Amino acid sequence: EVQLVESGGGLVKPGGSLRLSCVASGFTFSSHGMNWVRQAPGKGLEWVASISGNSNYIYHRDSVRGRFTISRDNAKNSLSLQMNNLRAEDTALYFCVRTIGDFERLGVDYWGQGSLVTVSS
Amino acid sequence: QSVLTQPPSASGTPGQRVTISCSGSSSNIGSNTVNWYQQVPGTAPKLLIYSNDQRPSGVPDRFSGSRSDTSASLAISGLQSEDEADYYCAAWDDSLYGRLFGGGTKVTVL
Repeated sequence: EVQLVESGGGLVKPGGSLRLSCVASGFTFSSHGMNWVRQAPGKGLEWVASISGNSNYIYHRDSVRGRFTISRDNAKNSLSLQMNNLRAEDTALYFCVRTIGDFERLGVDYWGQGSLVTVSS
Repeated sequence: QSVLTQPPSASGTPGQRVTISCSGSSSNIGSNTVNWYQQVPGTAPKLLIYSNDQRPSGVPDRFSGSRSDTSASLAISGLQSEDEADYYCAAWDDSLYGRLFGGGTKVTVL
């Protein structure tokens, strides 16, 4: 059974930093790309970043590029999102999401339960 | 504002057929596959349709997807109360080098 478990969320002041982690199990982690997708309270889904199975291909949405960094450790079956210079508009539930295979264009399939990030003074 | 456009709401009575549209462009739906997700409030999204019209195992055949040119649609036939949820389309965009989600459609069973 595929499982994705996020951690690391919390309350942080504007301009602060936070690191989200996701531990994966139930599949061959290195064979799948991974993603972070967020959902602000009461809003829709918004893609944040993607990384290929071997970390050769990394993409971030424009609004977080230069502030957020996605990374992975295949030896530990883990995915991370380093978030710096956080803004109020980054407040959201952050989902760890698996890519179908290792080809971004195929989309995503399994989702974690999410980790809540609140940016407020 | 989402680049993939969905109607904000749709509704039907039990047993009816409901269709949700998703409009994009040549750089996303026009050149990449479309997936659909169902999100019951308070839970994580669930993959409903992948590669335009394929259902993962366990998804009832009441759900079907299609794609034509730069648009896609999700149909729910034989609508049931448990189908009340938010539905999102998604596709990769070759110009943005990113994944796009539609704004979501809230389906209500009357």
